[in-house]
Amino acid sequence: EAGVVQSPRYKIIEKKQPVAFWCNPISGHNTLYWYLQNLGQGPELLIRYENEEAVDDSQLPKDRFSAERLKGVDSTLKIQPAELGDSAVYLCASSRSPATDTQYFGPGTRLTVL
Amino acid sequence: ILNVEQSPQSLHVQEGDSTNFTCSFPSSNFYALHWYRWETAKSPEALFVMTLNGDEKKKGRISATLNTKEGYSYLYIKGSQPEDSATYLCAFSGSNYQLIWGAGTKLIIKP
Repeated sequence: EAGVVQSPRYKIIEKKQPVAFWCNPISGHNTLYWYLQNLGQGPELLIRYENEEAVDDSQLPKDRFSAERLKGVDSTLKIQPAELGDSAVYLCASSRSPATDTQYFGPGTRLTVL
Repeated sequence: ILNVEQSPQSLHVQEGDSTNFTCSFPSSNFYALHWYRWETAKSPEALFVMTLNGDEKKKGRISATLNTKEGYSYLYIKGSQPEDSATYLCAFSGSNYQLIWGAGTKLIIKP
């Protein structure tokens, strides 16, 4: 079974530029999560999808961040424009269902904003 | 504000020694407690999902206990090996299904 796929693995951009991250979850997993992880901290949820519906986006900074999961499968997270403080690892995870089900993580995208 | 605390923040252990660390979480509206291991440059890997008070889970040399009434879980590693070096994350899941993550315990095994 293929795991969660994320691309790119690394991205370096200048501030004010746009950037997009892509995630393909494990086949059959209805729930998809985007997390942000800063050094020395635990993952912070940005958005959770149940199929194509964003059911929890309360932590997503909507002025510059957007996400979509149009067909309920793969998902894209976008930042426009990027700021210096957005430098972090962006993790995607998927699970069959929320709460008790194990989340399976992709390798993450390490974003550096210069 | 729901908070998940992990201690210690980092830990150096001699190869062969056993060790343990703690995850503290809210004792109300408990649904599940997750433990993950995250090695550098790899994806976080699920270790355990625990739902019942008093639950104990074991995977090889790693085991975990759960006390939902007082809001803590212990992770134990017996006979530490260099490959155990990683950050160990716990996450609390409440009735709203949202996972609240701790900052992790960074474990370094000294050969």
